[in-house]
Amino acid sequence: DTEVTQTPKHLVMGMTNKKSLKCEQHMGHRAMYWYKQKAKKPPELMFVYSYEKLSINESVPSRFSPECPNSSLLNLHLHALQPEDSALYLCASSPTHRQGGKDGYTFGSGTRLTVV
Amino acid sequence: AQSVTQLGSHVSVSEGALVLLRCNYSSSVPPYLFWYVQYPNQGLQLLLKYTTGATLVKGINGFEAEFKKSETSFHLTKPSAHMSDAAEYFCAVSEGSGNTGKLIFGQGTTLQVKP
Repeated sequence: DTEVTQTPKHLVMGMTNKKSLKCEQHMGHRAMYWYKQKAKKPPELMFVYSYEKLSINESVPSRFSPECPNSSLLNLHLHALQPEDSALYLCASSPTHRQGGKDGYTFGSGTRLTVV
Repeated sequence: AQSVTQLGSHVSVSEGALVLLRCNYSSSVPPYLFWYVQYPNQGLQLLLKYTTGATLVKGINGFEAEFKKSETSFHLTKPSAHMSDAAEYFCAVSEGSGNTGKLIFGQGTTLQVKP
């Protein structure tokens, strides 16, 4: 299995809702990433987990809360989002964080989030 | 600090024509360089990468790129464009020559292929 699977594919949520995005990989990778991508823009790094511990938070607002319950699973909990948070949220993984810098990351297909 | 510049946010070619997407990097250390492709409503897929060794790198779908240190470039080419090549292409450099694990992306180039 060489895939990163993200669910749901699409999500529409109100500004007072709480929702979660899920990311799963079974490649034995120990680094996992959350990216945010606006239309026609490059992905922006949000969080990096290394060996299930949060190692990088790129000053992301607290309305985004990541969680790594085990080495295969990464969640992004969403609460009180704003319309400008509407974007494609991408998950990625690599064997280790350092190895990702040498070999690149494997990306999932993303969750298209719309905040209304 | 490393950075990447993609020249041309939009490139249009005819089917069967040469594809050339330009990428220049800035790095004080030997760079690790990548090209990713993103089809509509999809994630990013690694096309090819340069780490060390041979400067001409072959990737998937007939794409290749050449690392030119003297020109600080890593341009992506394909001899003959197919309609299926229409997508967004991102060049990326690895921060700290791969030591930090962080990828820095260029702004992207949209490739349009005309019949």
